[in-house]
Order: sequence, then structure tokens, then C-alpha cells
Amino acid sequence: QSALTQPASVSGSPGQSITISCTGTSSDVGDYNYVSWYQQHPAKAPKLMIYEVTNRPPGVSNRFSGSKSGNTASLTISGLQADDEADYYCSSYTSSITLVFGGGTKLTVL
Amino acid sequence: EVQLLESGGGLVQPAGSLRLSCAASGFTFSSYAMSWVRQAPGKGLEWVSVKSGSGDTTYYADSVKGRFTISRDNSKNTLYLQMNSLRAEDTALYYCAKASSVGATIAVAFDVWGQGTMVTVSS
Repeated sequence: QSALTQPASVSGSPGQSITISCTGTSSDVGDYNYVSWYQQHPAKAPKLMIYEVTNRPPGVSNRFSGSKSGNTASLTISGLQADDEADYYCSSYTSSITLVFGGGTKLTVL
Repeated sequence: EVQLLESGGGLVQPAGSLRLSCAASGFTFSSYAMSWVRQAPGKGLEWVSVKSGSGDTTYYADSVKGRFTISRDNSKNTLYLQMNSLRAEDTALYYCAKASSVGATIAVAFDVWGQGTMVTVSS
């Protein structure tokens, strides 16, 4: 199972919005609404930000939103804040009854 | 407080074995599927394996199939990962993670993660 494709890096200024893409195939992202997004700060464990494409866990800011179109899922962060600077990973359930992660995207807040 | 605490990592020679443990607290352990996810130094996340809450369903990533065995003891609220025939490419921080949905056979999202235990495979 190949990793999902994410851009290596994205950047934005405080207050702006950014979008991170996550491209898979018809055997994972395209066929299931089980896409999740995780935020990972340096030397910390990942934190669940979005599950089942669009759902936010309790306590996660509504500045974070998810969507999907075809084989590509997206995470949008609005009103960028300094603390949003982190690595972001998408994941998807697959037809092989496994889970696959994206390669990760480093978000820099300028 | 919901908590996961991994242990058992260390330095092991290629072809060697290691057993990781993950002690859970603060939730009904047997109601949730549990997974192991690893992260090689400076690299991304890689899903390793999942065990259903009841323990009767198990899946593995192709990269570890036949070498790793996931198990759980619901009476002890503990998840395990037995790792055999270890290779240099298994070097990583191993996280234990809890499924976000109660009763799901497998975990498609993880809402609680441990702090990880480091496994280094080197001669």
C-alpha cells in the first residue's frame, strides 16, 4: 500500500487560510469516508484534528475543516496562528483493510 | 484521564526480538480497537497493526506481516506487540493508539496516543 501524497511544505501568514491536499486512489480516499487528519508538533505525539473527512473531535478549533473530492482530501486551516505551525498527516482506510498515512506536510507560519 | 503508556523499547541486533507493551487507563479498554503506529527518525507515520476490542480481529501492514504479532489482555488493560526477525528499517518510535469510535472492529482514526517507545535495530 503506497503512502498518500501530500505536499512536503506549505506556508502562510498569521490570519490567512491555507489548504493541505492529500491524494490517494479509488482503493482508499476515493472509496471511503474514513479520512483523518493529525497535527504533530516537534517531539510530541500526533493529535487528531479531523475524522471521517469532515468531523472535528471535541476541543478542536472550528478553524480546522476537512473536505474530499474524488481521490483527494483536503485540510483547511483558517485564521492561521503561530501555534498551528506543525507537521500535518492525513490517513485513510483502504480496501485491503489497512490504514495508510500521507507522507506529511510541514506548515510554516511566516 | 485517558492515558496510554508504552514500554519495552530498546536497542536490539538485526534478527533479534523485542516485546512492546502499552498500558491503558481511563477508559473501557475492551470496548476499543487498538493499534500500533510507528515513526522512523525524521520520517512520517506508518500504520503497523490493529487488534479489535474483543481481540478476535487482527490486521497487519505488509511490511511487518509474518514477523510482528499484536495481542491484548483485556483483564490487564494492556496491548502488546511482539516483534521478531527485526530489521534496520524497523528502527522507529512506536506509538500505541486508541480508536476514536467505540465498538469498531478496526480503528480508522485515533483520538488518544501514547508518548511512544523507541526501538533501535543495529549491530
